[in-house]
Amino acid sequence: GESVGLHLPTLSVQEGDNSIINCAYSNSASDYFIWYKQESGKGPQFIIDIRSNMDKRQGQRVTVLLNKTVKHLSLQIAATQPGDSAVYFCAENRKTSYDKVIFGPGTSLSVIP
Amino acid sequence: ETGVTQSPTHLIKTRGQQVTLRCSSQSGHNTVSWYQQALGQGPQFIFQYYREEENGRGNFPPRFSGLQFPNYSSELNVNALELDDSALYLCASSFSTSGRRADTQYFGPGTRLTVL
Repeated sequence: GESVGLHLPTLSVQEGDNSIINCAYSNSASDYFIWYKQESGKGPQFIIDIRSNMDKRQGQRVTVLLNKTVKHLSLQIAATQPGDSAVYFCAENRKTSYDKVIFGPGTSLSVIP
Repeated sequence: ETGVTQSPTHLIKTRGQQVTLRCSSQSGHNTVSWYQQALGQGPQFIFQYYREEENGRGNFPPRFSGLQFPNYSSELNVNALELDDSALYLCASSFSTSGRRADTQYFGPGTRLTVL
């Protein structure tokens, strides 16, 4: 079936290190991918997005890489800070008659001070 | 913080009851999507409203229904509540020129529904 999934459910990193969160998707027709951050008790917060005509996109301390050949995307967080501790979701916006976003199960990132 | 607000923050109901959740869109947005997020899982798409009409629907039964108002605010109604309906209900607003593809969705803080 169609799904967006994450390789690791939890990730612990030392403060100051770089974090890499991975995501696999199965629908090759998807053309837009989004990373969201969700802190405890809050709604998902947009971090960065990437369209399928791009391989890489950079934001402030974050980089998203898209490999369409193996249907994989990753979120890299540079110099991880305690405030980065949260659940990270990759989401896939599929080509339908409407704007449907499919979320993966999430990766919990814990930053060790 | 996004400009999307939801009410109430928390709600406790019993099986068989009905509930209405509310969402106010971010200024300038005309599309609202509703999601159900069970504990420890990613949000699941319920449905989307564009220009006051349901524009798309996920795999949820008809007892989940909604409305969108002229000011683009929205309601989610759930009838005949079941225990499994306990979840965080999120709304997200976005802007679309056609209802087919929208800009990035921005989420509200959610309503935590507990069904006893």
